[in-house]
Amino acid sequence: AQKVTQAQTEISVVEKEDVTLDCVYETRDTTYYLFWYKQPPSGELVFLIRRNSFDEQNEISGRYSWNFQKSTSSFNFTITASQVVDSAVYFCALSELHRDDKIIFGKGTRLHILP
Amino acid sequence: NAGVTQTPKFRVLKTGQSMTLLCAQDMNHEYMYWYRQDPGMGLRLIHYSVGEGTTAKGEVPDGYNVSRLKKQNFLLGLESAAPSQTSVYFCASSWQQGSYEQYFGPGTRLTVT
Repeated sequence: AQKVTQAQTEISVVEKEDVTLDCVYETRDTTYYLFWYKQPPSGELVFLIRRNSFDEQNEISGRYSWNFQKSTSSFNFTITASQVVDSAVYFCALSELHRDDKIIFGKGTRLHILP
Repeated sequence: NAGVTQTPKFRVLKTGQSMTLLCAQDMNHEYMYWYRQDPGMGLRLIHYSVGEGTTAKGEVPDGYNVSRLKKQNFLLGLESAAPSQTSVYFCASSWQQGSYEQYFGPGTRLTVT
């Protein structure tokens, strides 16, 4: 079954600390796509990254980095030197090529960055 | 370029009333989606459309209907609102398949009393 688990419901860290948000997925498809979205307090959902199942290279974008490991079915997200503006709910999501083109979202991790 | 817009932003309904939420996108996307977001539940797909004139059920379709008469618009209807439909509703669109990222509207906060 297609499933996305974000075990951390809520995390609080002090500004400038590094923080990793975990995402574990389940899929039977060999071709799938993983996503991360950010939902700041204002409420809108912002796309952060997409990764396909054939590309296990880690990605870095500024203070953000993503670690994709097929062996553990994980797609973790790390924020380095966190800032108050990083406070948000972060969603991991999965879509399978052969499953009606729907994206399944995890339940989200609420991240608090304390000044 | 407005992206994805939703109207209204807020609405309060009494049980049994009906309403329609409008979603519009100006990116010429084929795919459009309606989600609901409830505390601790993440985003759940209500209905979606893979092109003009098509609709399909998602994870939680009961109590909702949709229509996609024009490519740029996707309407979500509640025929007889229930308190369980109190939620934040998000519309999204994407270029093609689910392998492409979705672009979200700002959301509609609906309260059913």
